[in-house]
Amino acid sequence: ILNVEQSPQSLHVQEGDSTNFTCSFPSSNFYALHWYRWETAKSPEALFVMTLNGDEKKKGRISATLNTKEGYSYLYIKGSQPEDSATYLCAFVNNAGNMLTFGGGTRLMVKP
Amino acid sequence: ETGVTQTPRHLVMGMTNKKSLKCEQHLGHNAMYWYKQSAKKPLELMFVYSLEERVENNSVPSRFSPECPNSSHLFLHLHTLQPEDSALYLCASSQLRGIHNEQFFGPGTRLTVL
Repeated sequence: ILNVEQSPQSLHVQEGDSTNFTCSFPSSNFYALHWYRWETAKSPEALFVMTLNGDEKKKGRISATLNTKEGYSYLYIKGSQPEDSATYLCAFVNNAGNMLTFGGGTRLMVKP
Repeated sequence: ETGVTQTPRHLVMGMTNKKSLKCEQHLGHNAMYWYKQSAKKPLELMFVYSLEERVENNSVPSRFSPECPNSSHLFLHLHTLQPEDSALYLCASSQLRGIHNEQFFGPGTRLTVL
């Protein structure tokens, strides 16, 4: 059983604050790490797919880093906006198979 | 219709009923997935279908039966379910079974088993 943990489980921030949260995963047999954003009443949407140690990806105000040797990824949101309120999921893919193992998610709420 | 669609969006069924969930993808992908989201649990992969094979999560009870007649359609047949099977069932598709390529999710079916 693969252990993918996300912290914190939930987070309340004020509009304009920058925030970050963590995804930890097994450091052995790494193949890829996915980040998804899931807004209430909508479908999860992919943010990033990261494969290389030291990878850093950015989409607008959201960025992510990857450390495969120690088994963690950070997701950063700069200047949070109410529309950033969502659950952010990470998913680990190991090289033994092609299946995604999801973490429990971080639920972000941004207050105006 | 674009993306991944699922029907029905909501389903209430008794434990003796037989029902099916349907998923359709319009993205030209070659792999499709069923996931289960139970309350306060991580998203859990149930089944994967690609052109070549079906990969099954061994912990999925036999009362859930997937069917993939072609690369665009995926069904989940349900029979003699239990109340603990109440959950959100998400379908997804991807190219190359999601190794490097992200998965595209449908809106889900909210299932309640009475």
